[in-house]
Amino acid sequence: SAVISQKPSRDICQRGTSLTIQCQVDSQVTMMFWYRQQPGQSLTLIATANQGSEATYESGFVIDKFPISRPNLTFSTLTVSNMSPEDSSIYLCSAYGTGELFFGEGSRLTVL
Amino acid sequence: QKEVEQNSGPLSVPEGAIASLNCTYSDRGSQSFFWYRQYSGKSPELIMFIYSNGDKEDGRFTAQLNKASQYVSLLIRDSQPSDSATYLCAVTLESKSTFGDGTTLTVKP
Repeated sequence: SAVISQKPSRDICQRGTSLTIQCQVDSQVTMMFWYRQQPGQSLTLIATANQGSEATYESGFVIDKFPISRPNLTFSTLTVSNMSPEDSSIYLCSAYGTGELFFGEGSRLTVL
Repeated sequence: QKEVEQNSGPLSVPEGAIASLNCTYSDRGSQSFFWYRQYSGKSPELIMFIYSNGDKEDGRFTAQLNKASQYVSLLIRDSQPSDSATYLCAVTLESKSTFGDGTTLTVKP
């Protein structure tokens, strides 16, 4: 199994600012994903983080709002840009390995 | 129609009973199926996965898959209060997972 570390674990941010979330996996994985879980809701896939190329975004999510980097097979970042209170959510990094999807502990973001 | 639908819940069972959680999916090409447990304020943790039709047992948990009916279920035997959580069904196609809305289970002592 893969161990995924995310930071920050939580943050409180002001409207209009941006925050970058880091995700580190303890082993090389082919697939990394970023999910959002809004209060009381299930997980929604934001994008697939592709190593060495642009991320693949799901419907409703755009690169200008959620730029993603993945410089190697163990690390990725998600930036939440120009934040509004509607972006308050838990952001989860995940990695697909050995047929299973593993999750980091999540980053709880509150936007005031 | 949602891609992955779960019984809405909440579901409440007495300690020691069997809890039954259900999930249907719309994409017949789906390849693998997962059940995650999520405690409040925590990230999802994998309980079971199943790829082939039939049953798969792991301790008190049994996952059942019927691809013809596009149906997957999770049975929890001898339910314990520590099983109280939200259970998420995830359906995967080409490594990309889609989650249901979850079913909240409460096991009463």
